[in-house]
Amino acid sequence: EAQVTQNPRYLITVTGKKLTVTCSQNMNHEYMSWYRQDPGLGLRQIYYSMNVEVTDKGDVPEGYKVSRKEKRNFPLILESPSPNQTSLYFCASSRRTGLVNTEAFFGQGTRLTVV
Amino acid sequence: GQQLNQSPQSMFIQEGEDVSMNCTSSSIFNTWLWYKQEPGEGPVLLIALYKAGELTSNGRLTAQFGITRKDSFLNISASIPSDVGIYFCAGTTFNDMRFGAGTRLTVKP
Repeated sequence: EAQVTQNPRYLITVTGKKLTVTCSQNMNHEYMSWYRQDPGLGLRQIYYSMNVEVTDKGDVPEGYKVSRKEKRNFPLILESPSPNQTSLYFCASSRRTGLVNTEAFFGQGTRLTVV
Repeated sequence: GQQLNQSPQSMFIQEGEDVSMNCTSSSIFNTWLWYKQEPGEGPVLLIALYKAGELTSNGRLTAQFGITRKDSFLNISASIPSDVGIYFCAGTTFNDMRFGAGTRLTVKP
């Protein structure tokens, strides 16, 4: 089954404790991205990757890191989480056809609470 | 970055009514996508549009890719209670995918 898998689904952590949210897709998609969703703000892009070893900042990259060492995996790293990073996070992947990103498939989300 | 302006922010309608929502941008997009998100889940694709002027239907849903490539609308006909959720538009370019802030739809039986 084609899917994007995020782990964990729920996470409560303390300020400053490094954490990683994993994302894996089995569709051989080139493009992967991370979003955070906050009430009234929709989906805001944190980082994206157009292919292996190619990553770039989205709209709200501060406090986050990513890596893309393999095509299927795109982990999101919070080196020193702060309470303002409490949010619902989504990973997405999409296939590229020529110069066009096609439709994105989303993971089920990770609800992160930083206390 | 490019912003998508999605409206309305929320809608409260009676079952059976038709719904219309739209997205506009100051920038051109290569594709327009419409997603639905239900509580506790990730967004799920409803309709994908790839050509300016394209009009596509999926059951009771109809969406159009604006001729200027800067806008799109989604219509839902004869709404039912399970249409409840948040609807997002998204536009993609060569290296980017942008989302609107969402339209929260409530359907009263």
